[in-house]
Amino acid sequence: KQEVTQIPAALSVPEGENLVLNCSFTDSAIYNLQWFRQDPGKGLTSLLLIQSSQREQTSGRLNASLDKSSGRSTLYIAASQPGDSATYLCAVSNTGTYKYIFGTGTRLKVLA
Amino acid sequence: DTAVSQTPKYLVTQMGNDKSIKCEQNLGHDTMYWYKQDSKKFLKIMFSYNNKELIINETVPNRFSPKSPDKAHLNLHINSLELGDSAVYFCASSWTEPYYGYTFGSGTRLTVV
Repeated sequence: KQEVTQIPAALSVPEGENLVLNCSFTDSAIYNLQWFRQDPGKGLTSLLLIQSSQREQTSGRLNASLDKSSGRSTLYIAASQPGDSATYLCAVSNTGTYKYIFGTGTRLKVLA
Repeated sequence: DTAVSQTPKYLVTQMGNDKSIKCEQNLGHDTMYWYKQDSKKFLKIMFSYNNKELIINETVPNRFSPKSPDKAHLNLHINSLELGDSAVYFCASSWTEPYYGYTFGSGTRLTVV
């Protein structure tokens, strides 16, 4: 049974810092992995999607990596800004089932 | 034009009532989902429909009944609402094999009083 864990649960950093959010999963037979952002009281915005055959994806200041064999993904945010403050969720879909299993989220606060 | 739209956005109702939440997607996807986000912000899948056929039915009380009149619509009907049903319910859609990932609606915040 796939389980997805995210650490840290919460993170507070000063503006301008580079930071790394971690996501680990127990079953490496994944189809793909998607990182989302959720602002308070809002829906989920897709940030990056990594297919199981890929090692990383980049969008602007965001870079997500995937190491299937070790069951890990990281989301790297460069030069953090107060507008990056949100909860970041990773979700994993397994080959064959395709339902996304979500991690517990990392609540990020970037201080001005 | 909103890709995945849910109505209503907020729903406050009394215990014991029956209510429905509606979801529509205009992305042409063939699979739709209902997820529940609890007070601890954890998202868990409830149901999934593929081309109007129920393919995922997690352990959910049978007071919850999804219905998909066509592949662009997925509704969630809840009977005899309980306090513990208070949560945010998210609809999402994708292709059968979600190569392009999921697209989520903005959520329906259900409060049972």
